[in-house]
Amino acid sequence: KQEVTQIPAALSVPEGENLVLNCSFTDSAIYNLQWFRQDPGKGLTSLLLIQSSQREQTSGRLNASLDKSSGRSTLYIAASQPGDSATYLCAVLYSGTYKYIFGTGTRLKVLA
Amino acid sequence: GAVVSQHPSRVICKSGTSVKIECRSLDFQATTMFWYRQFPKQSLMLMATSNEGSKATYEQGVEKDKFLINHASLTLSTLTVTSAHPEDSSFYICSAWTQGDNYNEQFFGPGTRLTVL
Repeated sequence: KQEVTQIPAALSVPEGENLVLNCSFTDSAIYNLQWFRQDPGKGLTSLLLIQSSQREQTSGRLNASLDKSSGRSTLYIAASQPGDSATYLCAVLYSGTYKYIFGTGTRLKVLA
Repeated sequence: GAVVSQHPSRVICKSGTSVKIECRSLDFQATTMFWYRQFPKQSLMLMATSNEGSKATYEQGVEKDKFLINHASLTLSTLTVTSAHPEDSSFYICSAWTQGDNYNEQFFGPGTRLTVL
């Protein structure tokens, strides 16, 4: 069964810390992997999309890496800010399908 | 990136009524759209795949007669929740799939919050 798991489920850190969110998937035959941010009661905001041929993507303070062989992706957030507080979702598009499988999410709270 | 809209953004209805949610790709054509459901504090779960001009494909456990999907054009898919009940209250999100020269990508709508009283 193709699954996506995120660890930790929740994280609370003081402002300014660098932090890492983890995403693992069970099948290495993926097409791409995407990281999203979701604020309470809101829709999804796409943060970074990594194609299967890529190893990482960067946008501002965010860096996402992809290791297909180990079935893992990490989202690195540098110098965290209270405005980064949200739920972060990892979604995997497995090869041969057009359906994203979403992870369980990590609820991040950055304390001022 | 491409834009996907949903209408309405929020709807409250009485138990037993039907509710229609629209998903539109605004600046591209999407032969395939997807409908997801998200219960509070949970992740998104795929409900069905909507293909233009053909019947939708439903995920296991999703009642096709309750969640009617119509993909009448390359830019519009609708989800109708028939005879809605309080347990159908959820956040419904659609996505539209597009294919470029070197990529396949899905763009997500802003979601529709359904509350059934």
